[in-house]
Amino acid sequence: TQLLEQSPQFLSIQEGENLTVYCNSSSVFSSLQWYRQEPGEGPVLLVTVVTGGEVKKLKRLTFQFGDARKDSSLHITAAQTGDTGLYLCAGLSGGSNYKLTFGKGTLLTVNP
Amino acid sequence: NAGVTQTPKFQVLKTGQSMTLQCAQDMNHEYMSWYRQDPGMGLRLIHYSVGAGITDQGEVPNGYNVSRSTTEDFPLRLLSAAPSQTSVYFCASSYWDFGTGVRGYTFGSGTRLTVV
Repeated sequence: TQLLEQSPQFLSIQEGENLTVYCNSSSVFSSLQWYRQEPGEGPVLLVTVVTGGEVKKLKRLTFQFGDARKDSSLHITAAQTGDTGLYLCAGLSGGSNYKLTFGKGTLLTVNP
Repeated sequence: NAGVTQTPKFQVLKTGQSMTLQCAQDMNHEYMSWYRQDPGMGLRLIHYSVGAGITDQGEVPNGYNVSRSTTEDFPLRLLSAAPSQTSVYFCASSYWDFGTGVRGYTFGSGTRLTVV
């Protein structure tokens, strides 16, 4: 069974601070996705990284896929209160890409 | 375009009761799936379907049944509810992202189920 470990589990910061969330596995994934989930809603896809070493930017969010495709990170610059939510990483493996394996998530709270 | 619609939003069941969680999508996606989300456990795959008439088990299928008679609908049935099935259930449909060459997923807003 492939597992994804996310750290930290909880993170509380002040508006304007920077932060990094990590997603690690002992297994190789063909691609990795990051989702954000707000209370009472389903996860919303933020980004997909496919190539080892790939870096993608989404405004103030920077996503990186490890060279060996076993780990990923999400860096947020100058966090805003609207960034508050549960951040989930999910790995896709196999040729069909049908099954997502989720990490347990990082609950981020950005305080004003 | 409503995306993925789940009903009901909330449900309370007594142990032993049966019910069906509804999921519908209007995006003509072939692939649909059900997940449950529990505190400290993340999201776990229950069942999935790669098209009408085709279903398969995920990581935690026991106690749940599914069928897929149309592309649009993928209901999840609890045959005899147990307290261990108290959870938040999410339905998702999948599309091919030509930009990345992998699948993207659209989730519904969930059904919060409590079994007493």
